[in-house]
Amino acid sequence: DIVLTQSPDSLAASLGERATINCKSSHSVLYSSNNKNYLAWYQQKPGQPPKLLIYWASTRDSGVPDRFSGSGSGTDFTLTISSLQAEDVAVYYCQQYYRTQTFGQGTKVEIK
Amino acid sequence: QVQLQESGPGLVKPSQTLSLTCTVSGGSISSNNSYWSWIRQPAGKALEWIGRIYISGSTNYNPSLKSRVNISLDTAKNQFFLNLTSVTAADTAIYYCARERRFCEGDCYAVGIDWGQGNLVSVSS
Repeated sequence: DIVLTQSPDSLAASLGERATINCKSSHSVLYSSNNKNYLAWYQQKPGQPPKLLIYWASTRDSGVPDRFSGSGSGTDFTLTISSLQAEDVAVYYCQQYYRTQTFGQGTKVEIK
Repeated sequence: QVQLQESGPGLVKPSQTLSLTCTVSGGSISSNNSYWSWIRQPAGKALEWIGRIYISGSTNYNPSLKSRVNISLDTAKNQFFLNLTSVTAADTAIYYCARERRFCEGDCYAVGIDWGQGNLVSVSS
């Protein structure tokens, strides 16, 4: 199994501040034949299912605000919220789809 | 936009079989751009992928659950199903049915997941 480890487990930032979440994979998820990273990010608000934000490590899904961005390659990835809004309070998960599917343990984002 | 809705009992006794149905609307389960999956989430814990089925009938399962899981589908009803046998309290979770977007470039992969609302299943006597 590919294990994904997120850091931090939780963070609190002020409205308008930048929030950064890291995801480290136990195995590279970069597929050399197409140079794509098989990693996605999801947002889960309380009482709701997760929502896809980003796939291929950096491609925003349709309708996702551009304050959300993804970066990284191989084994180290980052989700950045450039200007934290009240509606961004949620748990964020990274997910790899290089070898079936596994998820990180989640990072809880709150407003300070 | 495809929508998914889980249905099934909210309470299952230990050692029995957990059975859930996912009804797909707004799209066909026979689509070749989708895998149909089950994912679960114990309270306060992370997500665990259970497995998937493709319209051809081929399945993939999480190795940790493989011996107890069966996923099937019914194209006439536009539904797919989860059976999990010999359940224990550790199987208590919200169970999500989901559509994994199928992407093929040489090999085929699931790229991005669209989720149902979830069905809480408790295992207790």
